[in-house]
Amino acid sequence: DGGITQSPKYLFRKEGQNVTLSCEQNLNHDAMYWYRQDPGQGLRLIYYSQIVNDFQKGDIAEGYSVSREKKESFPLTVTSAQKNPTAFYLCASSLQGWSYNEQFFGPGTRLTVL
Amino acid sequence: KNEVEQSPQNLTAQEGEFITINCSYSVGISALHWLQQHPGGGIVSLFMLSSGKKKHGRLIATINIQEKHSSLHITASHPRDSAVYICAVRKGGGGSNYKLTFGKGTLLTVNP
Repeated sequence: DGGITQSPKYLFRKEGQNVTLSCEQNLNHDAMYWYRQDPGQGLRLIYYSQIVNDFQKGDIAEGYSVSREKKESFPLTVTSAQKNPTAFYLCASSLQGWSYNEQFFGPGTRLTVL
Repeated sequence: KNEVEQSPQNLTAQEGEFITINCSYSVGISALHWLQQHPGGGIVSLFMLSSGKKKHGRLIATINIQEKHSSLHITASHPRDSAVYICAVRKGGGGSNYKLTFGKGTLLTVNP
């Protein structure tokens, strides 16, 4: 089945460690996105990529890094510079980023930093 | 003030009741999305609309562009409708039409 997979579903890390969240899609979508969700807040955009080998910062990019070496993959690294990394992270994709397309979401990864 | 406001924040209903969730926004938009987030966290897109009304099963979404307001209605609600419903807008014009701005969500609980 076509869709977006994120792994792992739950992730625990010690403070000061970098951690990489996986996002893979087999929808042949050009655009991919990373969002962060905190309790009582709306989703906020961390990074997005409209095409392979290109990505841009979203609203809250500090302390995060991404890569887009393959069309189907858009991993997010939460670095030790992120002051409050504990959150629910959602990956999404859409057919094209620069035109009017519905975004499809993955199941999310809940990151807890101890 | 948030650009996208939803009301109510929490809603509890009895099975069979008609549900309305509201979304108001303060910016010009090219589209509005209604999303459903289940307790496990995954998000499903319910509707994407830029004018008028859309219906899918027991769900109806309407939008009034002049009043900057959208509503999501659920007819004959069922416990399986219990979820967080999120409104998101895609701002109009310019090069940022990929970005969505999200409301904080409405937690709906439907009791049997």
